[in-house]
Amino acid sequence: AQKITQTQPGMFVQEKEAVTLDCTYDTSDPSYGLFWYKQPSSGEMIFLIYQGSYDQQNATEGRYSLNFQKARKSANLVISASQLGDSAMYFCAMRVRGTGKLIFGQGTTLQVKP
Amino acid sequence: DAGVIQSPRHEVTEMGQEVTLRCKPISGHDYLFWYRQTMMRGLELLIYFNNNVPIDDSGMPEDRFSAKMPNASFSTLKIQPSEPRDSAVYFCASSRTEYGYTFGSGTRLTVV
Repeated sequence: AQKITQTQPGMFVQEKEAVTLDCTYDTSDPSYGLFWYKQPSSGEMIFLIYQGSYDQQNATEGRYSLNFQKARKSANLVISASQLGDSAMYFCAMRVRGTGKLIFGQGTTLQVKP
Repeated sequence: DAGVIQSPRHEVTEMGQEVTLRCKPISGHDYLFWYRQTMMRGLELLIYFNNNVPIDDSGMPEDRFSAKMPNASFSTLKIQPSEPRDSAVYFCASSRTEYGYTFGSGTRLTVV
């Protein structure tokens, strides 16, 4: 069965510093996609970044990058130069190709300190 | 593109009443998903549709929950009768490709 694990319930980071949010996954399917979503206190789910299992390079989107280590089955999110507006809940998710399902980890709450 | 539209944004109802949540997916998206979010259980996939056909409803908690997608532009999630433990935020999401889902703003349901 597919599973996503986020082991950090809460994280603190100083403004302008970088932070890494951990995500490990479990699947026996060789083809899958990994996602990160941000959920601010207002509640909406905001897509941040995507990594395909066959992608050779780590995905990047502005200040967000995904540290993809396939052999270790980890897909950590790196946020560079943290901003106060980055304070939110962050979810790692996995989609198994061919099923349509997107399954989520439990989330990590990030607080950025001024 | 108006995004995924959910209604109502907030719903407060009494235990035992019927509740209907509505979703309009993004035009052209062929997948539609219903999720429930609670503090205790996180984000749970309840059911999803592909081309208006229910594919997997294994996440639907019990027979009190039902979902329909009569056409490509509309879906409902119904709870009857509602119970206090159904209180949660219900998200609808749609997708056309494998690369991302777009979520609606959610419906915050409170059953008293």
